[in-house]
Amino acid sequence: DGGITQSPKYLFRKEGQNVTLSCEQNLNHDAMYWYRQDPGQGLRLIYYSQIVNDFQKGDIAEGYSVSREKKESFPLTVTSAQKNPTAFYLCASSVLWDSLQETQYFGPGTRLLVL
Amino acid sequence: AQSVTQPDIHITVSEGASLELRCNYSYGATPYLFWYVQSPGQGLQLLLKYFSGDTLVQGIKGFEAEFKRSQSSFNLRKPSVHWSDAAEYFCAVRGGSYIPTFGRGTSLIVHP
Repeated sequence: DGGITQSPKYLFRKEGQNVTLSCEQNLNHDAMYWYRQDPGQGLRLIYYSQIVNDFQKGDIAEGYSVSREKKESFPLTVTSAQKNPTAFYLCASSVLWDSLQETQYFGPGTRLLVL
Repeated sequence: AQSVTQPDIHITVSEGASLELRCNYSYGATPYLFWYVQSPGQGLQLLLKYFSGDTLVQGIKGFEAEFKRSQSSFNLRKPSVHWSDAAEYFCAVRGGSYIPTFGRGTSLIVHP
């Protein structure tokens, strides 16, 4: 079955540590996205990628980094510069970047907690 | 600029009762509108979307939504709620940007 997988489901971060969240899709989608979800705040965009080897900052990119070396993979690194990383992180993809009709497909999410 | 407001943080209904979740958008031209559902600890799933044509849109799981340009609204409805509908519901809009803007969500609680 086609879809988006995120791992791990839960992730614990120590002070000063960088951690990487995995996102893989086998939908052959060009565009991929990372969102952060906090209670009562909806979804906020961290980074997005229109195509392989290209990515753009979203609304809250500070303290995060990404790469897009393969079409199917878009890992997110939460760096030590992100002072409040506790949140639910959602990865999404869509067939195209530049279509207003496009549906975004979401992965199951990773919950990041700080020790 | 595009924006979306979901006025209700929580909605409580009894099983079998009808449901309406409100969504108001702001965008100068005809927007592209979406409703997603999120079960606890899960990702979002698309319920339905509107971008042209008939203003009453049918979606999955028995949901429908009506686009009302005069009221800048895209409210989600279901005639009879099931306990399994308890979840978080998000409205989203695309208009001036290819990146959708999501509302803050409405949490649906279903009483037996």
